[in-house]
This record gives sequence, C-alpha cells and structure tokens, in this order.
Amino acid sequence: TQLLEQSPQFLSIQEGENLTVYCNSSSVFSSLQWYRQEPGEGPVLLVTVVTGGEVKKLKRLTFQFGDARKDSSLHITAAQPGDTGLYLCAGEDAGGTSYGKLTFGQGTILTVHP
Amino acid sequence: NAGVTQTPKFRVLKTGQSMTLLCAQDMNHEYMYWYRQDPGMGLRLIHYSVGEGTTAKGEVPDGYNVSRLKKQNFLLGLESAAPSQTSVYFCASSYSQAQLSYEQYFGPGTRLTVT
Repeated sequence: TQLLEQSPQFLSIQEGENLTVYCNSSSVFSSLQWYRQEPGEGPVLLVTVVTGGEVKKLKRLTFQFGDARKDSSLHITAAQPGDTGLYLCAGEDAGGTSYGKLTFGQGTILTVHP
Repeated sequence: NAGVTQTPKFRVLKTGQSMTLLCAQDMNHEYMYWYRQDPGMGLRLIHYSVGEGTTAKGEVPDGYNVSRLKKQNFLLGLESAAPSQTSVYFCASSYSQAQLSYEQYFGPGTRLTVT
C-alpha cells in the first residue's frame, strides 16, 4: 500500500501571507493530483502533474512535482479568504494498470483570515 | 449535465441495519469509485469498478459490497452497519486519457451515522 504524508494538517494565516503545503512519499507515482474541498461538497480537481520536475501555475497557486515523482508541493502566494478550504493531494499508482486508483494524503485545512 | 449525483445526502442507521447508497454519473465514464472520508485520514478507497459488470476491492473493503449493473450507476451496500462505518461517503467517476492520469469527478457525498 502506498502512503502519502501531507503536511501541515492545519494552517491558519492572515490574508496576504504566502504558504506551502507538502506531500511526501517513499513511493513513485505516475501522476499527482491536487484537489480542493469545500464543507459539505466533494473534492474538485485543481491540477494534475505528471512529469518529474514539472511546475504548473494556476493564478496564485503553484504546483510542483518532485524530480523522482515521490513528492509534490502546493504554494499559494498572497492568500485570500476565498482560498479557505481543505486541500488534498492524491497520487496515482505507478507501474502496471492502475485504473486510476488514487492514494490520498490526510489533507490540509487552510483558514485565511481577513 | 448533473455530473455525479449521490442519494441519499444524509442517513442515520442503527447497528445491524442495512442500506444501499446510490451513485449515478451522466458523463459516460468507464471507471467509478467509492471512498470514505474520516477526519484526519483523507479519502480511502472502498471499492472500484472499471466497467459495467465489474467490481474490485480497494483499500478498506470489509463490511461493504458493490454492484455495477449499469454503466452509469454504482451502488454501495452495507449489509450489517457498525458504528465504525460512521463516515462521509463519496462516489467518483473518471475516464482514461492519452496521458497517464485519471482525473476524478466527485459527487456531493452522503453523511452516514450508525448508532
């Protein structure tokens, strides 16, 4: 069973601050996905990274996939109250046919105060 | 286009009772999944299906059964509910694409309490 360690579990910051969320594993993943979840709703995909070393930007969010495809990070610049939510990383099993099975990290609850 | 829908949204069961959660998707996706979400544990895969008539076990399958009689529907059954099955249940669907990534689309969840 592959494991994804996500940190920190909780993050409480002021509007305008920067933050980074990390996902680490000893296993290699064929891709790494980041989701955001609002209370009472299902997760919604933010981005997928598939190549080692890949960096993707989504407005103020920057996602990076580690060179060895074992870790990933999410960096938010100048956080806003609208960024508040649960952020989840999820890795797709590497090797063979995974049928899209994902291993999720524990999640990071982000609160951005005005 | 409703995407992925789940019924019911909330349910309270007594220990030993049974129930079925229904998931439906209108995106013609081949793959469907059932997860449970517990505080501090992210989402854990219960069962999944790679096509109509097929099912397979995930990470935490004990106490659950599934069926995929139609491509658009994926049912999750609890034969004899236990308090440990108190959780929020999410259904998701996905499709394969040229790149080796399977983006999943989630339903709104079912909050189940077993007393």
